[in-house]
Amino acid sequence: GAGVSQSPRYKVAKRGQDVALRCDPISGHVSLFWYQQALGQGPEFLTYFQNEAQLDKSGLPSDRFFAERPEGSVSTLKIQRTQQEDSAVYLCASSPAGGRSEEQYFGPGTRLTVT
Amino acid sequence: GENVEQHPSTLSVQEGDSAVIKCTYSDSASNYFPWYKQELGKRPQLIIDIRSNVGEKKDQRIAVTLNKTAKHFSLHITETQPEDSAVYFCAGRYSGAGSYQLTFGKGTKLSVIP
Repeated sequence: GAGVSQSPRYKVAKRGQDVALRCDPISGHVSLFWYQQALGQGPEFLTYFQNEAQLDKSGLPSDRFFAERPEGSVSTLKIQRTQQEDSAVYLCASSPAGGRSEEQYFGPGTRLTVT
Repeated sequence: GENVEQHPSTLSVQEGDSAVIKCTYSDSASNYFPWYKQELGKRPQLIIDIRSNVGEKKDQRIAVTLNKTAKHFSLHITETQPEDSAVYFCAGRYSGAGSYQLTFGKGTKLSVIP
């Protein structure tokens, strides 16, 4: 079946602009995660959803970052007033069934460049 | 929170030789340890994982070992091939309630020389 998809794959934003990044998880997957991957680094956790509930947002770096998953499937990560330090690859991952299932399957990511 | 250290940061091996990547973790409550392979510009792909109630797991040329006492785990790739060249990430997952995030190491760039 289809894997995790993300759009857009590439986004260039001028500093101060707002951006919205979309994630389509694997159909039926309950858990959805957002990670930020800086160049040459491992992914770093941003936030976690179980169905439509955002259960953990401890990794969001500032109040400019906001994520939602209103119907428990597609998720959007929004960054307001982008800054240069927001430049990174934003990865989405989904997992089958709540906390009991550990395997996380990643999307291809959105590469955000803030100029 | 959990901290995962990974070594080495780069590794070059001759085709056919073995490669070993090592990781340590800080939180003894972590119970799940996946390994991901990431090719340039591509998504991280889960290649093998191990749970804390198991000491070793193999899948063809790939194996992972876990030492809970020492809080370290390792990836072993035998008979390396050029297509094994990629960045490999280890990760740990804390088992506390509500915490399902993965904490990743900084990655190991593996180069397999034909």
